[in-house]
Amino acid sequence: GDSVTQMEGPVTLSEEAFLTINCTYTATGYPSLFWYVQYPGEGLQLLLKATKADDKGSNKGFEATYRKETTSFHLEKGSVQVSDSAVYFCALSGEAGGTSYGKLTFGQGTILTVHP
Amino acid sequence: GAGVSQTPSNKVTEKGKYVELRCDPISGHTALYWYRQSLGQGPEFLIYFQGTGAADDSGLPNDRFFAVRPEGSVSTLKIQRTERGDSAVYLCASSLTLTGTSGRGEQFFGPGTRLTVL
Repeated sequence: GDSVTQMEGPVTLSEEAFLTINCTYTATGYPSLFWYVQYPGEGLQLLLKATKADDKGSNKGFEATYRKETTSFHLEKGSVQVSDSAVYFCALSGEAGGTSYGKLTFGQGTILTVHP
Repeated sequence: GAGVSQTPSNKVTEKGKYVELRCDPISGHTALYWYRQSLGQGPEFLIYFQGTGAADDSGLPNDRFFAVRPEGSVSTLKIQRTERGDSAVYLCASSLTLTGTSGRGEQFFGPGTRLTVL
């Protein structure tokens, strides 16, 4: 079945450092890809998404590009802030007709801590 | 507007007991999803509804788990004969349309119900 693999964490950075969180996936066809974030004490919320190959999703300074050739959707930010400390989840939803259509398959999550 | 709400926020029960977890989706959202999140893991899909019917219940772990959405709005996840392994955070999400490659159907998540089975 479809699956998502995230880089093992946790990740600890100093403020203004560059962030990369790796995400690769296994799925048939062209799934939609997502990054969700869970801030301390809050629920999951969508950070960004991409629905077709070579699309770039972006939000709040974060970016991720849908790479079909490497089945990847790595999350990047040029300069992190303390307020970015959270758990980040990569996820996919399969294309219509597939077994994972309509639902989200998540990676295991990556804890990010940013120090001043 | 109001987001997805879940009640109770915490539930502690004893092994073998029956529990019900409730989800109130965002008004007007046709699709409703249940996920289960164990400590240190990502959410795992359980079931989703389009309107009143369960469109995909392939993630329910066994027949002790059941969910309903009788009027196409509020949903209840029911767990019979609870086991310690059922302890987790149960998340509910809703979306305007079904999530898919159309780019629509963003899922909005509730805060979750933390279930602890002693």
